[in-house]
Amino acid sequence: QSALTQPPSVSGSPGQSVTISCTGTRSDVGSYDRVSWYQQPPGTAPKLIIYEVSLRPSGVPARFSGSKSGDTASLTISWLQAEDETDYYCSSYTGSGTYVFGTGTKVTVL
Amino acid sequence: VQLQESAPRLVKPSETLSLTCSVSGGSIDGYYWNVIRQPANGGLEWVGHVYSNGRTKSNPSLNSRVTMSVDMSRNQFSLKLTSVTAADTGVYYCARACCRDGGFDSWGQGTMVSVSS
Repeated sequence: QSALTQPPSVSGSPGQSVTISCTGTRSDVGSYDRVSWYQQPPGTAPKLIIYEVSLRPSGVPARFSGSKSGDTASLTISWLQAEDETDYYCSSYTGSGTYVFGTGTKVTVL
Repeated sequence: VQLQESAPRLVKPSETLSLTCSVSGGSIDGYYWNVIRQPANGGLEWVGHVYSNGRTKSNPSLNSRVTMSVDMSRNQFSLKLTSVTAADTGVYYCARACCRDGGFDSWGQGTMVSVSS
């Protein structure tokens, strides 16, 4: 199984919105509403911020939202803040009963 | 729930990497318990999971080298990865998923394992 494709980096100014794409195939993203997003500050474990495409765990700000169209899922961070500057990964359940992660995206707050 | 990984920091090539994940603050029953790893150059790779009843699934790219098990009495689960090479070097995380296809909602802090002679 190949990794899901994410842009290496995205950037935005404080208060703006940024969107990270996560492109897979019909065997994973395209067939299952089981896409998750993770935020990983340097030197720490990933943290779940979106699950089942668009649901937020308790405590995750509403500024984080997720969506999906076809084989591509997206994470949007609205009202960008300095603390959002870190790495983000998507993940999808697959038809093989396994999981695949995205290549990762670094968000930079200008 | 808290997860804590334990593994030798250094494993020799061709030997077996053994990782134990201890679960506290909650029951191991009814959840899927996962191992996810991260090489030094970044990226995340799902290694495999074990359900509380002992059923397992692993990454096809690692399939024949992975064995996972659960010990309900100790609230632990474990990974054995055989015939390791330098490509298996990285941080190994234990993580919980509510269901077979769910997101990973709790993670351990991770443990660095290096494969080198």
